[in-house]
Amino acid sequence: GAVVSQHPSWVICKSGTSVKIECRSLDFQATTMFWYRQFPKQSLMLMATSNEGSKATYEQGVEKDKFLINHASLTLSTLTVTSAHPEDSSFYICSAQSIDYEQYFGPGTRLTVT
Amino acid sequence: QQQVKQSPQSLIVQKGGISIINCAYENTAFDYFPWYQQFPGKGPALLIAIRPDVSEKKEGRFTISFNKSAKQFSLHIMDSQPGDSATYFCAARGGDGNKLVFGAGTILRVKS
Repeated sequence: GAVVSQHPSWVICKSGTSVKIECRSLDFQATTMFWYRQFPKQSLMLMATSNEGSKATYEQGVEKDKFLINHASLTLSTLTVTSAHPEDSSFYICSAQSIDYEQYFGPGTRLTVT
Repeated sequence: QQQVKQSPQSLIVQKGGISIINCAYENTAFDYFPWYQQFPGKGPALLIAIRPDVSEKKEGRFTISFNKSAKQFSLHIMDSQPGDSATYFCAARGGDGNKLVFGAGTILRVKS
């Protein structure tokens, strides 16, 4: 149990375009989901906390207008990287919080902006 | 400000040996301490976790030792295997919206 999926697993987009990443909790409901960013050989950096039905809370230094988060249902949160630039290339990982506050992580999405 | 300090950055262990990774924290509000295992190109997976009311927790070959007074905790991997080669992250959680604070990670390589 406690499976979290992400789609797509990898995406290549051109500079200036937008890309949407989906995060789904497959076998449990998650009122809270988290979005992380991870650069090569580095730790996970929390970008934002997503709560179902309300606005996301962004960490300091994360541009909320660039990284749009929507948590429309108890099993789905989306991250849209708007007007992507090469420096946005990274590994994006979501996690879904279960009723016992455990975070279950998705497999990640590799974004490459050319 | 790094709230969870993890060491070493990298570790090479012979097959069958014991791998030990250490973490230290400052925030006394932390009340949950998980360890995650991450393989290249994959998301982290929960390995084992402990709460501060116990000093040790063992699951199979993996053991967490917890020292509340020293604000330190460690992961021990017994009989390390090449399949254990991965990056390991310690983390801590407490207050602040249940956010996880991660250590910097340890790259473990088990030589066969």
